[in-house]
Amino acid sequence: SQTIHQWPATLVQPVGSPLSLECTVEGTSNPNLYWYRQAAGRGLQLLFYSVGIGQISSEVPQNLSASRPQDRQFILSSKKLLLSDSGFYLCAWSDGTVNYEQYFGPGTRLTVT
Amino acid sequence: KQEVTQIPAALSVPEGENLVLNCSFTDSAIYNLQWFRQDPGKGLTSLLLIQSSQREQTSGRLNASLDKSSGRSTLYIAASQPGDSATYLCAVYIGANNLFFGTGTRLTVIP
Repeated sequence: SQTIHQWPATLVQPVGSPLSLECTVEGTSNPNLYWYRQAAGRGLQLLFYSVGIGQISSEVPQNLSASRPQDRQFILSSKKLLLSDSGFYLCAWSDGTVNYEQYFGPGTRLTVT
Repeated sequence: KQEVTQIPAALSVPEGENLVLNCSFTDSAIYNLQWFRQDPGKGLTSLLLIQSSQREQTSGRLNASLDKSSGRSTLYIAASQPGDSATYLCAVYIGANNLFFGTGTRLTVIP
């Protein structure tokens, strides 16, 4: 069966510091991978998705970037965090079939102070 | 642009009551619609996925319906239990990689 992992689970970082969140998927190959953000009082917003190694699509212009160095690894980064980057970050995967169904990880709670 | 609205934003019911959560979307050209559950500080748990050609899906005490032409979906929860307390999210797929979420309904089931 497939499993999706995210770490760290929680993170507190000062403004201006760098960020690296990691997501890995087990039990599948060539998944589509996604990063979402859930800010306080707002719905889930798609930030990036990837259909293959090195292929990144950005949905929202922002202070963040994403990379996919390996087939089942997806990384969310920032060089300098802003207060507005605080939120709950969720990674998801899908196999890209007709159903398009996405499966979500446990999330990372990021607080920028 | 697709917009997904969930009403009410919050709902409190006594244990044992049947309830309906509502979801509406502005663009009916969707592939699928999915209902999720989110517990505080946790990720999303998939409840039901309805394909665009289907009208409803059932799982245990949950039943989800889809009316594409009117841009509406409902999630029916029978015989609610305190363990059902969570935020329920509706999301529509408008492509392989485009999933739009509503802001959710926070449900509290009172023992």
